[in-house]
Amino acid sequence: AQTVTQSQPEMSVQEAETVTLSCTYDTSENNYYLFWYKQPPSRQMILVIRQEAYKQQNATENRFSVNFQKAAKSFSLKISDSQLGDTAMYFCAFTIPNRDDKIIFGKGTRLHILP
Amino acid sequence: DSGVTQTPKHLITATGQRVTLRCSPRSGDLSVYWYQQSLDQGLQFLIQYYNGEERAKGNILERFSAQQFPDLHSELNLSSLELGDSALYFCASSAALAGGGETQYFGPGTRLLVL
Repeated sequence: AQTVTQSQPEMSVQEAETVTLSCTYDTSENNYYLFWYKQPPSRQMILVIRQEAYKQQNATENRFSVNFQKAAKSFSLKISDSQLGDTAMYFCAFTIPNRDDKIIFGKGTRLHILP
Repeated sequence: DSGVTQTPKHLITATGQRVTLRCSPRSGDLSVYWYQQSLDQGLQFLIQYYNGEERAKGNILERFSAQQFPDLHSELNLSSLELGDSALYFCASSAALAGGGETQYFGPGTRLLVL
């Protein structure tokens, strides 16, 4: 079965600090895509970052970066210089191409950025 | 703004009733996906359509059905509603069929409350 585990249900950090959200996943596939989605209080699902499993280089998007460890099936998200607007639920997810396109989501980590 | 629109934003109805949720994908996107977000089940994939044809089914109840029309908008029909159907229903769209791991862009969701 393909699953995503986010072991931190909730986290709080001070504004401007760096925070890392953990994610592990389980799949027997070799080719897949990993995502972090953000869901702020508005409940909108917003793509934060995407990583192709065949790429060794970790994806970055401005203050957001990932640490992708394929052998360990780990995909953590680092948020640098955290801002109040980063307060949200963060979902780790993956999808497997050449099959159905469904996204398999983790349960989420609720992140609070404190002023 | 993801470019995916969903109507209505909120829906309150009674048990046993039937409702229709509507989704318009981003311009040019052929694939539409429906997800259900509930407190106890998290984000669950329901169904995918590609260019009018059903392509993949997830945890969709028999009381639920969907279709994608020639103009590519999609509707999710929920019937014989139960209290447990109360959830946030997301539509997402992507450009391609499976194989590319195309990013799915989410609409703002329809919040359904069954009383």
